[in-house]
Amino acid sequence: RKEVEQDPGPFNVPEGATVAFNCTYSNSASQSFFWYRQDCRKEPKLLMSVYSSGNEDGRFTAQLNRASQYISLLIRDSKLSDSATYLCVVREGSDMRFGAGTRLTVKP
Amino acid sequence: ETGVTQTPRHLVMGMTNKKSLKCEQHLGHNAMYWYKQSAKKPLELMFVYSLEERVENNSVPSRFSPECPNSSHLFLHLHTLQPEDSALYLCASSQVRTENNSPLHFGNGTRLTVT
Repeated sequence: RKEVEQDPGPFNVPEGATVAFNCTYSNSASQSFFWYRQDCRKEPKLLMSVYSSGNEDGRFTAQLNRASQYISLLIRDSKLSDSATYLCVVREGSDMRFGAGTRLTVKP
Repeated sequence: ETGVTQTPRHLVMGMTNKKSLKCEQHLGHNAMYWYKQSAKKPLELMFVYSLEERVENNSVPSRFSPECPNSSHLFLHLHTLQPEDSALYLCASSQVRTENNSPLHFGNGTRLTVT
């Protein structure tokens, strides 16, 4: 079983759509959770941390369910510039485990 | 502007060459990482240095050798690589604390091609 598993994608959505990404993790002792964004041939960049109470940053909302070991990312009112690969990341001590990523393409 | 700088950005080397990748972080972090990203695969953790001690080695082949002389610098020494080692090599740093560990900050990466 993969340690961090994400929706396979790809997601192709029109501008203005709402899209949700899901992620599950296998280690119940995982401590911190993040969503990263990676553009083609670039390094991953932090999009947002994920907190147990849920958190929102503009059009982006992240949720964590520790009981189900499940993380989600919701993007509202999608923009063309949101097109990227979204990576679910889970911290275990000093180690960070990455999901395979979900590719999103927002079309005009 | 990234607080983590990697050189070189691109590297082409033969299987008999020896080369080194360099990483420097300007964020005051106490942990540094090497990741490998191959096409259509998740990032693979290669090495972690936390407080200048290597804490994990995910069974990476011995042809990859890390070096961390201090908390700001990290090297990856390469020798007798194979074509399947061609990938994007990413350096990252973070602040490891008891709670509320900071996220990773990545460098731009070195795109390595082994011929």
